[in-house]
Amino acid sequence: IAGITQAPTSQILAAGRRMTLRCTQDMRHNAMYWYRQDLGLGLRLIHYSNTAGTTGKGEVPDGYSVSRANTDDFPLTLASAVPSQTSVYFCASSSDAGNTGELFFGEGSRLTVL
Amino acid sequence: GQNIDQPTEMTATEGAIVQINCTYQTSGFNGLFWYQQHAGEAPTFLSYNVLDGLEEKGRFSSFLSRSKGYSYLLLKELQMKDSASYLCAVSDSNYQLIWGAGTKLIIKP
Repeated sequence: IAGITQAPTSQILAAGRRMTLRCTQDMRHNAMYWYRQDLGLGLRLIHYSNTAGTTGKGEVPDGYSVSRANTDDFPLTLASAVPSQTSVYFCASSSDAGNTGELFFGEGSRLTVL
Repeated sequence: GQNIDQPTEMTATEGAIVQINCTYQTSGFNGLFWYQQHAGEAPTFLSYNVLDGLEEKGRFSSFLSRSKGYSYLLLKELQMKDSASYLCAVSDSNYQLIWGAGTKLIIKP
């Protein structure tokens, strides 16, 4: 793999179910991010991690959790999905945790919660 | 509050020039980014401005005026493949990225 990989690319999920979106990067970037993108709105940060072993809350963290056990992986978990979590989710990484460098995005995970 | 404004949609003709504006009100400023996003795809980096002035990169240029809270992305010699959304984002005083909703650019032959 090269760059940043997300899985699944698309998923339909029943409300109340648990779901984990996977994200892996091979660029050895310290910083990783999860965004959601909804029509008519800018990208909104859910959670971030500046380095392995640390995580932080973004603008819209409720209903989501993350972990960063190592540099490469940054999974996003929806403990009990709700319809308002229907969105396109993008994982991103950067060599610079200070948001002054380029973000590299995965191809996105389209999630539909019914 | 923090806010990024950019037009929702613009239309331009193949071969022409188009300017996409972005105005921002943020708590502090640590740089402004432009990203391109084709429909159904991930955003990709275009430019980063932290000082006032024009940065040119091939057919694309980005301008910044920090005193006016204003940037624009200039696309020259438009091609059909330039049809995409263009996202403006500002790094604020806490180095958090604030994103605009994006400008959908439609290129007509």
